[in-house]
Amino acid sequence: AQSVTQPDIHITVSEGASLELRCNYSYGATPYLFWYVQSPGQGLQLLLKYFSGDTLVQGIKGFEAEFKRSQSSFNLRKPSVHWSDAAEYFCAVGRGSSNTGKLIFGQGTTLQVKP
Amino acid sequence: DTGVSQDPRHKITKRGQNVTFRCDPISEHNRLYWYRQTLGQGPEFLTYFQNEAQLEKSRLLSDRFSAERPKGSFSTLEIQRTEQGDSAMYLCASSPRDLPGRDTQYFGPGTRLTVL
Repeated sequence: AQSVTQPDIHITVSEGASLELRCNYSYGATPYLFWYVQSPGQGLQLLLKYFSGDTLVQGIKGFEAEFKRSQSSFNLRKPSVHWSDAAEYFCAVGRGSSNTGKLIFGQGTTLQVKP
Repeated sequence: DTGVSQDPRHKITKRGQNVTFRCDPISEHNRLYWYRQTLGQGPEFLTYFQNEAQLEKSRLLSDRFSAERPKGSFSTLEIQRTEQGDSAMYLCASSPRDLPGRDTQYFGPGTRLTVL
């Protein structure tokens, strides 16, 4: 069965520091992978997605993610964090046997940014 | 493009009451998804519509839950005889026609349900 693991429940970084959020997935074939961000009380906003091709994908707000098939990972990175990046981040896999396109989400990582 | 909208944003109800939520997808999006998110967890898939057809339901969707999408536009999610365990954020997402799993899902702000 498909699954997504985000090993870090909570991360705190200083403003201006670099950020890496980890995501590991379990899926038999090449997955479709997504990163979403959720601010308190809000819905989810898509940051970036990977379907195929170049394994380094660029997203909005200066985020990027790298697909590593050998490690079953899709880690999210940002070179310099801003205070407005404080939110909850979800990794998701979207290719399933049901062919509906439903997303399987990880548990999420809460990012806190110190001034 | 006004985005996905959901109504109400918040609902407080007593155990045993019925509640109904509405989702208006982005116009011309033919796919619509419902998810449930409990505190500290990622969203979990509940059900999926392609146009007006409900094509998949999760085992999470007990017989107390029913969803409809008449005419392939807005959708409603009804919970009958609510239980405290139903307290969660209910998220709706829509996506345009694309390969399954490859479509980009746009989420609404959610409806937060509290069952007392």
